Amino acid sequence: GAVVSQHPSRVICKSGTSVKIECRSLDFQATTMFWYRQFPKQSLMLMATSNEGSKATYEQGVEKDKFLINHASLTLSTLTVTSAHPEDSSFYICSARDRVREKLFFGSGTQLSVL
Amino acid sequence: ELKVEQNPLFLSMQEGKNYTIYCNYSTTSDRLYWYRQDPGKSLESLFVLLSNGAVKQEGRLMASLDTKARLSTLHITAAVHDLSATYFCAVDIGPSGNTPLVFGKGTRLSVIA
Repeated sequence: GAVVSQHPSRVICKSGTSVKIECRSLDFQATTMFWYRQFPKQSLMLMATSNEGSKATYEQGVEKDKFLINHASLTLSTLTVTSAHPEDSSFYICSARDRVREKLFFGSGTQLSVL
Repeated sequence: ELKVEQNPLFLSMQEGKNYTIYCNYSTTSDRLYWYRQDPGKSLESLFVLLSNGAVKQEGRLMASLDTKARLSTLHITAAVHDLSATYFCAVDIGPSGNTPLVFGKGTRLSVIA
């Protein structure tokens, strides 16, 4: 079964609304999680690194005020797309590394469509 | 800055044929990953290669790593339609185990009868 759970899997929203995406590690603690964005027929681009108990580190060109990341516990990171616009429509994927098992896991992804 | 280049980006091959996908990366790295992605889905882990000369095989797919050449290959043997998907290689950017992956652009494979 999935060891990294990501919800929702699909969301459709109106322009201007905010959308929250959750990423949970189910059976391990993840001090760091990563958020990626993937546009159709393109590769995964790292948006930010989410650190438990501290501020996220954003990649160049990613607006931190638009993509709010909260990593309040060792098993949960959330990405909130604020005031979403159609150009934010994309596939968002989180990942987390289990340092005990030395394995990297990916969430199932969230398809965001902004109308 | 670590760069990961994959080629080809598009591959159409007949069932039963063999082919190789190449993945070059620009700086030293400890780990190289191969993933498969089906449309609308997340990533499925295929292989993790951790050392020079590593070779792993699963079914019709075989991956290898040459860290000196900074090159990994994914070889497809006797392709079948079910292998149609997008394949990504990805490289770990740091040695700590707590760093993100940098992905290649992906190879869209289409296996036709």
